[in-house]
Amino acid sequence: AQRVTQPEKLLSVFKGAPVELKCNYSYSGSPELFWYVQYSRQRLQLLLRHISRESIKGFTADLNKGETSFHLKKPFAQEEDSAMYYCALGWWGSQGNLIFGKGTKLSVKP
Amino acid sequence: NAGVTQTPKFRVLKTGQSMTLLCAQDMNHEYMYWYRQDPGMGLRLIHYSVGEGTTAKGEVPDGYNVSRLKKQNFLLGLESAAPSQTSVYFCASSSKTSGSSDTQYFGPGTRLTVL
Repeated sequence: AQRVTQPEKLLSVFKGAPVELKCNYSYSGSPELFWYVQYSRQRLQLLLRHISRESIKGFTADLNKGETSFHLKKPFAQEEDSAMYYCALGWWGSQGNLIFGKGTKLSVKP
Repeated sequence: NAGVTQTPKFRVLKTGQSMTLLCAQDMNHEYMYWYRQDPGMGLRLIHYSVGEGTTAKGEVPDGYNVSRLKKQNFLLGLESAAPSQTSVYFCASSSKTSGSSDTQYFGPGTRLTVL
């Protein structure tokens, strides 16, 4: 069965420090991976997806099929990055469904 | 475009009461979803729909029913609310794809408390 694991419930860093939010997935086929972000009291919104290979707000994520990971990285964290981050997995035949991880709360301290 | 909207934003129910949450999208999306978000549990899929008139169960469907009579609307019903259904409910929609997953667009959420 498909599964997404985000091992850290809370990640706290200082402004300007590098940040890495971990995401591991279980799926034997070709996955589609997403990172969603939820700022305080706002709706979830897409941050990035692996097929786009974009850098959004300074964040990047690389799909590592060997390690079944899709970690989210940013070299210099900003206070406005404080939010809840969810990794999500899609797959062929999913009818659009995504499996979400339990989320990591990122807190960037001044 | 309003995107995905949800009604109501907040609601307090007593155990045993019923209610319907309304989700509407103006993006002409085929797929729609209802999730619940609980602390430490992330988002869990309740029900989803791949088109008008069709619905399917997600991960946690018990205690909920849904209907998709119009393409733009997806209703979530609680027939007899229980305290365990206290949660934040999110609706989402996405385009129909050739078989894989597309970006889901979320509504603002409904905060439901069942006393």
